[in-house]
Amino acid sequence: QKEVEQNSGPLSVPEGAIASLNCTYSDRVSQSFFWYRQYSGKSPELIMSIYSNGDKEDGRFTAQLNKASQYVSLLIRDSQPSDSATYLCAVSYSSASKIIFGSGTRLSIRP
Amino acid sequence: GAGVSQSPRYKVAKRGQDVALRCDPISGHVSLFWYQQALGQGPEFLTYFQNEAQLDKSGLPSDRFFAERPEGSVSTLKIQRTQQEDSAVYLCASSLALGGEAFFGQGTRLTVV
Repeated sequence: QKEVEQNSGPLSVPEGAIASLNCTYSDRVSQSFFWYRQYSGKSPELIMSIYSNGDKEDGRFTAQLNKASQYVSLLIRDSQPSDSATYLCAVSYSSASKIIFGSGTRLSIRP
Repeated sequence: GAGVSQSPRYKVAKRGQDVALRCDPISGHVSLFWYQQALGQGPEFLTYFQNEAQLDKSGLPSDRFFAERPEGSVSTLKIQRTQQEDSAVYLCASSLALGGEAFFGQGTRLTVV
């Protein structure tokens, strides 16, 4: 079983709507959770980090963490065509400190 | 430097050739990670350093892969006797602290022909 699971998509969302991206992870001792955005041909860019249960908002982005359900999500409000990219969920396991990535969800914002 | 710097950006190697990929992390970042990313996949963990200590190399696919960070700053990923399946983008990331946010370099695209 893969340690970090994401739906590969593509997820198609109309411009101006809310895009919801989901991620589940397998290790209960996970401590740190990250969302990265990756444009085609570019390297991953960190957009959000979250460390405790609940919501964390940064501009149009909201990260949600539920450790009991081993679930982390990213909401993008007022989606723009420039948000079209692959979104990678990443988890740091305290016991090993390495950061493990999911395979990514491809998001497409249609005008 | 301002960000993580990787070189070369592109490398074409003949099968069987040895290659060395360089990563210069953000100044002061103690943790350094190497990842391999195939087309359409997420980054796959290769190895991790804290300062000069290689704490985890469980992701290295074979003993042809070797990484070092002798002075706790610049790191080199070496691949010996390259094979076609080694063709991928190799990403380096660094972070200030254990479990903290990691920032990526531009990557090195390796093509083995």
